[in-house]
Amino acid sequence: IQLTQSPSSLSASVGDRVTLTCRASTGISSHLAWYQQKPGKAPKLLIYGASILQSGVPSSFSGSGFGTEFTLTISSLQPEDFATYYCQQLNSYPFTFGPGTKVDIK
Amino acid sequence: QVHLVESGGGVVQPGGSLRLFCEASGFSFRNYALHWVRQAPGKGLEWVGFIRYDGRIEYNTDSVRGRFTISRDNSKNTLYLEMNTLTELDTAVYYCARGGSNTWWAGDYWGQGTLVTVSS
Repeated sequence: IQLTQSPSSLSASVGDRVTLTCRASTGISSHLAWYQQKPGKAPKLLIYGASILQSGVPSSFSGSGFGTEFTLTISSLQPEDFATYYCQQLNSYPFTFGPGTKVDIK
Repeated sequence: QVHLVESGGGVVQPGGSLRLFCEASGFSFRNYALHWVRQAPGKGLEWVGFIRYDGRIEYNTDSVRGRFTISRDNSKNTLYLEMNTLTELDTAVYYCARGGSNTWWAGDYWGQGTLVTVSS
């Protein structure tokens, strides 16, 4: 299953609402996770099951979608949110990742 | 406190072999699945494979093509990745991550990674 993410990068300001998209080449039900990765660091799980917020993740993050189209929304971008975001499908093997969306400061 | 620590990385010549380790602590190791994920320099994440709590193993056959073997020793709380016939394309930081049915197998805790460099 191939995942595409859009945009590949975006520039935004603190306080902006940001929406990232992940599309699957075939339906994956709700078996999608979102991760945040900062340079030199391991990925951090944000969302699993397409919309379930991982414990300890700020409520400014939310996920939605089903089947082939999914979104990650950051309701109000904070300085610590500038990072690269990856989606991963866990519906069928191999558990592929998307290519990532880099969010940087405008 | 959940902790995953990878080790075993280093420089290896093309065609060579390497064994990576992931030592876990702070949770009931035998009850969780574990992933290996790699990231080539400046590139995105690539799922390598996965061993479930029941011992079932799945690989990203497109990239590892029977060259890599995942195993675990529940008595030592350790995950392994045996890598053979390495090429420059295997150069990457290798991460282990815990996956549970409670997070629909998503990796909720990750190690810091270990760098594998394949070069002559």
